[in-house]
Amino acid sequence: GAVVSQHPSRVICKSGTSVKIECRSLDFQATTMFWYRQFPKQSLMLMATSNEGSKATYEQGVEKDKFLINHASLTLSTLTVTSAHPEDSSFYICSAIRPRGGGEKLFFGSGTQLSVL
Amino acid sequence: QQQVKQSPQSLIVQKGGISIINCAYENTAFDYFPWYQQFPGKGPALLIAIRPDVSEKKEGRFTISFNKSAKQFSLHIMDSQPGDSATYFCAAKSGGGADGLTFGKGTHLIIQP
Repeated sequence: GAVVSQHPSRVICKSGTSVKIECRSLDFQATTMFWYRQFPKQSLMLMATSNEGSKATYEQGVEKDKFLINHASLTLSTLTVTSAHPEDSSFYICSAIRPRGGGEKLFFGSGTQLSVL
Repeated sequence: QQQVKQSPQSLIVQKGGISIINCAYENTAFDYFPWYQQFPGKGPALLIAIRPDVSEKKEGRFTISFNKSAKQFSLHIMDSQPGDSATYFCAAKSGGGADGLTFGKGTHLIIQP
């Protein structure tokens, strides 16, 4: 079963509104979560690293005031797309590291398709 | 600078055949190499992963071959089935888990019945 839950799976909003996407680790505590963006038929682009209890680390070129990340607990990170515009339409995916004996594994949420009208 | 180069971009294989996808990396600090399978509209799912201390890892029909000196790794899908049709991404990362993955550009695999 899924180990990382992402919600909503699809959202349509009007230009200028804000949209919040949630990412939850279901059966483990994730001190670090990652947010990716994916355009159609393209690879995943890392947007930011979300750290529990501290500020997120953004990749070069990603506007931190545009994409607000909050990692308030060890099982929840949220991405808020503020004042969304059509160019923000994309597939957003979160991932979390699940510690395991002998190594760690990264698991992904099911993604959120954002469409801004 | 693309740190993980993946090929081919698309691949068509007959049912029962072997699908082979290749990746090459540049950063010698990478120490974890996973492969992900993604179906349309879904998030990537971890398929199989390898670390540089082994040259091959097999899980069911899926095998990773790793060549540390050449900085290359590949995914082999044996007895390919139509249900394997998906986009496959190789990835790499370094460090103790604090860094995100660097992805290849993906391979769109089609298995013909």
